[in-house]
Amino acid sequence: GAVVSQHPSRVICKSGTSVKIECRSLDFQATTMFWYRQFPKQSLMLMATSNEGSKATYEQGVEKDKFLINHASLTLSTLTVTSAHPEDSSFYICSARVGEAGKYNEQFFGPGTRLTVL
Amino acid sequence: LAKTTQPISMDSYEGQEVNITCSHNNIATNDYITWYQQFPSQGPRFIIQGYKTKVTNEVASLFIPADRKSSTLSLPRVSLSDTAVYYCLVGGLNTGTASKLTFGTGTRLQVTL
Repeated sequence: GAVVSQHPSRVICKSGTSVKIECRSLDFQATTMFWYRQFPKQSLMLMATSNEGSKATYEQGVEKDKFLINHASLTLSTLTVTSAHPEDSSFYICSARVGEAGKYNEQFFGPGTRLTVL
Repeated sequence: LAKTTQPISMDSYEGQEVNITCSHNNIATNDYITWYQQFPSQGPRFIIQGYKTKVTNEVASLFIPADRKSSTLSLPRVSLSDTAVYYCLVGGLNTGTASKLTFGTGTRLQVTL
C-alpha cells in the first residue's frame, strides 16, 4: 500500500522556538495532504487541508500564522509550529491523498510526530 | 459532514468475535464508510471501506444495512494485538469539504486473555 512518512518522529524544543515537521508520500503523488493534531486520549482533530501549489485551508479555530503549512510539491508538505508554547505539545499526524475529482480517494496516514515544548 | 456515534469502549476476550457498531444518521448519498485502527503513538491504519451491503477482507467484515444509517465492523477471533482505538468515518467524493474526514471519538477496544 501507499506509504506516508513523517520527520522527525519526535521532537523536544524550548518555548518560543519554531519547529518544522515534514510529511512525505513515498510511493505516490499526493495532490492533497491533511494535518491533524491529537491530544492524549482524544481523537484526531483536523487542522488544515493543503493542496499542492496553493494556500492551505485551515479549520475554524486554528491559527494560520502559528501553524504554517507549505505544500511545495506533490510528495512533500511541511507544518511549521512557530513560537511554540507548552500548550502546543501534541501528536501531529499528516495524511496524503491521491486526488481525482469526483472519485472517493483513500487517505494514507503518516506515523505521527510527537512534539514536546518545554 | 456526517457525524458518527460509536461506543466509547468495549472489552473482549481473546478468540472472540467483536462487533463495533457506528451510527451515522445523516450520511449523504455520496458518502462511503471507512474504518481505521489506531495504536498508541501511531497514525491511523486503514481497515476496511464500504458503501452498502457487506464487505469482507482479510482482517474484517463491514456490514451496512439498506438505509446506511449505521454500520458494523466485525473482527473475527480477536487477539491481544487487536487492542486499539477503532474509528468509523464517513466521507464522500473528492470535492470540496465533502472530501475531508472528520474523526469521531472512536471505540477503545481492550482484548484480554
